[in-house]
Amino acid sequence: NAGVMQNPRHLVRRRGQEARLRCSPMKGHSHVYWYRQLPEEGLKFMVYLQKENIIDESGMPKERFSAEFPKEGPSILRIQQVVRGDSAAYFCASSQNPGQGSEAFFGQGTRLTVV
Amino acid sequence: GDSVTQMEGPVTLSEEAFLTINCTYTATGYPSLFWYVQYPGEGLQLLLKATKADDKGSNKGFEATYRKETTSFHLEKGSVQVSDSAVYFCALSILTGGGNKLTFGTGTQLKVEL
Repeated sequence: NAGVMQNPRHLVRRRGQEARLRCSPMKGHSHVYWYRQLPEEGLKFMVYLQKENIIDESGMPKERFSAEFPKEGPSILRIQQVVRGDSAAYFCASSQNPGQGSEAFFGQGTRLTVV
Repeated sequence: GDSVTQMEGPVTLSEEAFLTINCTYTATGYPSLFWYVQYPGEGLQLLLKATKADDKGSNKGFEATYRKETTSFHLEKGSVQVSDSAVYFCALSILTGGGNKLTFGTGTQLKVEL
């Protein structure tokens, strides 16, 4: 029973390139959350998606960042024209239907380095 | 807005010592409270949780009690091991139309030495 799968684990991009981060949720989970962890900081919520819908993107930067969770395939977090400040670990979490105390299962993260 | 404050690290202890990591929260609603653990290079794993006041979450010798009167959820373990060395995150979530997004503290690094 595979857990939440993220790839790649490590990604290096030059300034101005695009970064695409993928997340396959646990089997049977249709709710996906993306978080960003900057060095020496906690995780910050970015976006919450259900299949084909963005439910809450209140934590997403207004420009260059987008997310999708298509009917088929993994969820994608896309960062266009990356800058050094985008260097961070990006974590995806999935859950079943939301509920009080519902547990989110995390992937191992994608560590993005912008050079 | 909602927030979580936890004690800064790193915390360095000798094996078999008692551990306390303080966590307090501010929330506009009635949150569920969580402790997550992150080992080096890994994602977060749920350690324990509590969903209502006076509930005690426990797992692997760790405990935390949901204290509504002091808005706290302190993590404790009676006897730590070297294998407990990791970063510990306190978090809350409030069920809304936006699902169960988590608000995290900044994390506390624990180092346990022989």
